[in-house]
This record gives sequence, C-alpha cells and structure tokens, in this order.
Amino acid sequence: DVKVTQSSRYLVKRTGEKVFLECVQDMDHENMFWYRQDPGLGLRLIYFSYDVKMKEKGDIPEGYSVSREKKERFSLILESASTNQTSMYLCASRLLDRADEQYFGPGTRLTVT
Amino acid sequence: GEDVEQSLFLSVREGDSSVINCTYTDSSSTYLYWYKQEPGAGLQLLTYIFSNMDMKQDQRLTVLLNKKDKHLSLRIADTQTGDSAIYFCADSGGYNKLIFGAGTRLAVHP
Repeated sequence: DVKVTQSSRYLVKRTGEKVFLECVQDMDHENMFWYRQDPGLGLRLIYFSYDVKMKEKGDIPEGYSVSREKKERFSLILESASTNQTSMYLCASRLLDRADEQYFGPGTRLTVT
Repeated sequence: GEDVEQSLFLSVREGDSSVINCTYTDSSSTYLYWYKQEPGAGLQLLTYIFSNMDMKQDQRLTVLLNKKDKHLSLRIADTQTGDSAIYFCADSGGYNKLIFGAGTRLAVHP
C-alpha cells in the first residue's frame, strides 16, 4: 500500500517563527511536491523536486524554501512564518513519468498567530 | 498561464446522478484528472482520461471530455452520502506539474 506521510496534522506557530513541515514517502518516487490549499483557490504548487538535492519553484514560492537531502524526504521551510501562510499544506509524490499516479499525504493544517 | 475552473458547490439528492463540470485552458494537456478529498484527508485520485479519449467509464463514474470546448465533466451515478466530498479537476500542465481547479464541494442530502 502506497504511503505519503506528513509529520503533523495540525500545527500552531507564532509570527516570525521558523517552521519545518516534513513529508516522507515509501514508494521510491523521484518527484515530490508541496502544495497549499485554500478555500476557493484549490491547490497551488509551492515547490517541487524531481531528484535528491534538486528543486524547482512552483507558482507561489515566495516566503518558502525546501530541502531534499534524501529521496524519501521532502521538507518545506517557512523561514519567518506570517499570518498569510495559515493554510492546509499537502505533500505529494509520484514516479518521474507517471503523472497518472500522484499520491497525496493527509495534509498539515498550519495556523500562524 | 494555464487555468482550470469549476463551480464551487453542488447539492444533490441521494440516489440521483451528480455532474461536476470543469473547464481548462491548456490545449496541450495530455491527461485530465479527477481527485476526491474527504473531510480531514488528502486527495485521492478517482479517475483520469487521456486527451485523445471522449469518454471513460469506471463503475459509477463517467468522465466526458470535449476537447474542442476544453470541457471535462464527472458524472457519479446513484450518488450516496459517502460521495460527499470536494472534487478537484486537474490538468497535466507541463511534464512535472498538475494544475488544479478550486474544487467542487458535493453535498448529498436524503
């Protein structure tokens, strides 16, 4: 059974804090993605990675960075959290050439106060 | 850039058919997808259609693609309360990216 896990389901942080969101997949997938989901806006791509130590900006990378030191783990970093980063964050992974099999984690609901 | 649009809300009676519509702008799409998100969960791939197909049927689900009008629909036959969820249309906008619509919240009432 394929699995994408995220380190926390719910997280509350203060403005200005550094926040780490972790995602782990056990399917040996090359591609990993971070999205944020907001009501009425759907999913917007923040960053993605197609290999270890490789990363590319998505549509809304401002205020975020990522790290992929190992194939199975993709971390999203908020260097200095702001209230407009309160959102649901979803991680996903897939094989390099299998866009029809993209698997999502359960999501992390982040609240920045 | 590419865009995917869908209505935000649909309410149906249990046992009726539901039809969720989606329009997209990218004429080079290879695959188009429907994902389902249940409360508190991530997205689950429901079905997808290759761009050279007009229709795909999978049990209670029927996907129709009108490539000329860039219109995609998902029909759920005999809708049940367990079908209540948010349904996302997505377009394979480029090799490594999926472009998602805003999601349609389907409410099924007795």
